[in-house]
Amino acid sequence: EAGVAQSPRYKIIEKRQSVAFWCNPISGHATLYWYQQILGQGPKLLIQFQNNGVVDDSQLPKDRFSAERLKGVDSTLKIQPAKLEDSAVYLCASSSGTGGYEQYFGPGTRLTVT
Amino acid sequence: AQSVAQPEDQVNVAEGNPLTVKCTYSVSGNPYLFWYVQYPNRGLQFLLKYITGDNLVKGSYGFEAEFNKSQTSFHLKKPSALVSDSALYFCAVRVPYGGATNKLIFGTGTLLAVQP
Repeated sequence: EAGVAQSPRYKIIEKRQSVAFWCNPISGHATLYWYQQILGQGPKLLIQFQNNGVVDDSQLPKDRFSAERLKGVDSTLKIQPAKLEDSAVYLCASSSGTGGYEQYFGPGTRLTVT
Repeated sequence: AQSVAQPEDQVNVAEGNPLTVKCTYSVSGNPYLFWYVQYPNRGLQFLLKYITGDNLVKGSYGFEAEFNKSQTSFHLKKPSALVSDSALYFCAVRVPYGGATNKLIFGTGTLLAVQP
């Protein structure tokens, strides 16, 4: 079974530029998550999708971050414009249940904003 | 507030010795608890979970965790550490939104360093 795929693996941009991350979850997994992991901290949930609907986006900075999951499969997370404090690893995960059970994580995208 | 705490930033242990990585939680209702491991430049990997039943839960790579309701703890253990166990370990607790949907809240992580 293929795991969660993410691209790119690394991205370096200047502040005020825009960036997009892509995630393809495990086939058949209805729930998809985007996390932000800042160095030295645990993952923080940004947004959770159930199929193509948003379950929770309370921690998503909506003035600059957006995410979509068209057709309930793959997803993109966008930052526009980026700030220095957005430097982090962005993790995508998926699960077959309605959240809170085993989540399977992708390798992450390491974003550096200069 | 529902939360999980990992009081140690780093745990050092010699290879072959037993290891313990500590986790305490605060959650209303019955807790669903998880341990994940993260190797350098990798995503998190699921190790084990406690949902209900036996307080001692066995997981991947020889790890186990002990649920203690009175102490609100869920410590990760292994009888004999390997150098390859060196990684970042995260404890997590399930928090319900309401209805059938839930999310995980992660601790800040504990770096396990196993010396040869």
